[in-house]
Amino acid sequence: EVQLVDSGGGLVQLGRSLRLSCAASGFTFEDYAMHWVRQTPGKGLEWVSGISWNSHSIGYADSVKGRFTISRDNAKNSLYLQMNSLRTEDTALYYCVKGGELLLHAMDVWGQGTTVTVSS
Amino acid sequence: QSALTQPASVSGSPGQSITISCTGASGDVGNYNLVSWYQQHPGKAPKLLIYEVSERPSGVSNHFSGSKSGNTASLTISGLQAEDEADYYCCSYAGASTWVFGGGTKVTVL
Repeated sequence: EVQLVDSGGGLVQLGRSLRLSCAASGFTFEDYAMHWVRQTPGKGLEWVSGISWNSHSIGYADSVKGRFTISRDNAKNSLYLQMNSLRTEDTALYYCVKGGELLLHAMDVWGQGTTVTVSS
Repeated sequence: QSALTQPASVSGSPGQSITISCTGASGDVGNYNLVSWYQQHPGKAPKLLIYEVSERPSGVSNHFSGSKSGNTASLTISGLQAEDEADYYCCSYAGASTWVFGGGTKVTVL
């Protein structure tokens, strides 16, 4: 069974940094693209960032470009999101999501999410 | 990267069919057959219903179907059931390794 366990969320002050992690199991992690998607309380989904299986292709939403960095460690079956210069509007539930073999293939399996709260 | 446009809510009676639209632009929905749809029940993670406009993953009921015309994609739920009451989101590849979601549609079964 595919499992994605998100962690690293918490309460952080405006302008500070936080690193999210996602531990993957139940599939060959190194063969698939991965994504981070966030959801603000009571609102919709926003794609944040995606990374190809070999880290050669990476994309970011305009809202986080220059502040967030996605990375992966295929040896550890792990995905990361380094979030710097956090803003109040970054407050959300962050999901790690499994993609397809290519970055342009659909996202199919979602983690349970980890909550990030940015306080002013 | 503008969000795709979905109606805020759609409702129908059990057994009816409803359609949710998802309007994008020539740089996303109109340019790629890479639209997917997700169902989200309250307090749960989203679930993939449709990928590549009209393909269903194994295990997804065939009363969900997808289509696309120009810059607008659509999700049709045929034979509406109580358990279909949920939020639905469309998503499209937007080029340059980026994706964009719609604002979501709340489906109510009357």
